[in-house]
Amino acid sequence: DTGVSQNPRHKITKRGQNVTFRCDPISEHNRLYWYRQTLGQGPEFLTYFQNEAQLEKSRLLSDRFSAERPKGSFSTLEIQRTEQGDSAMYLCASSQGLLAYNEQFFGPGTRLTVL
Amino acid sequence: GENVEQHPSTLSVQEGDSAVIKCTYSDSASNYFPWYKQELGKRPQLIIDIRSNVGEKKDQRIAVTLNKTAKHFSLHITETQPEDSAVYFCAATPEDMRFGAGTRLTVKP
Repeated sequence: DTGVSQNPRHKITKRGQNVTFRCDPISEHNRLYWYRQTLGQGPEFLTYFQNEAQLEKSRLLSDRFSAERPKGSFSTLEIQRTEQGDSAMYLCASSQGLLAYNEQFFGPGTRLTVL
Repeated sequence: GENVEQHPSTLSVQEGDSAVIKCTYSDSASNYFPWYKQELGKRPQLIIDIRSNVGEKKDQRIAVTLNKTAKHFSLHITETQPEDSAVYFCAATPEDMRFGAGTRLTVKP
């Protein structure tokens, strides 16, 4: 499968625990985006990378959230001290090139449930 | 930052009818407007997009129109089929992508 992959697909955790998600973009895609989607809503932008540089972070991304893309390939999103409000689908997308107006290809998402 | 509003939130049509979904955006710097289709439990998939230097784009039964002066763009689906039933999202981007809240389209056979 040459599409965007995300792991794990599902994560159940207790409030206060830390979780980490991984995204593997399509090979050679320069840009990598993270979104959060709750039921009945559109994806909400969290952050994006151009190669290994994190260029923008949404105000939704509190200091409990951190994302990395150390070698410009895969990316990780970590949530520390999870809260019930963090329960959502976390989507990753990647696009080719250095411009914003290129098609973003989405991964299947990681569904997080915080108990 | 960019703010995208989408209407209607739900839309029900008879098979064969047309469906229109409308979006407005706030940031005049936005220059790319994609539309995504998301079926239940699946990832969003691009169905059509338009750039700011074009007023209309068509791909078979799907078309998108853009009015940059009024800051609104619309998705038109003609000859709807039951398999068109899904949630449709518009988005606008000057740099990062901002999505509308989605329209749940139901096509009744």
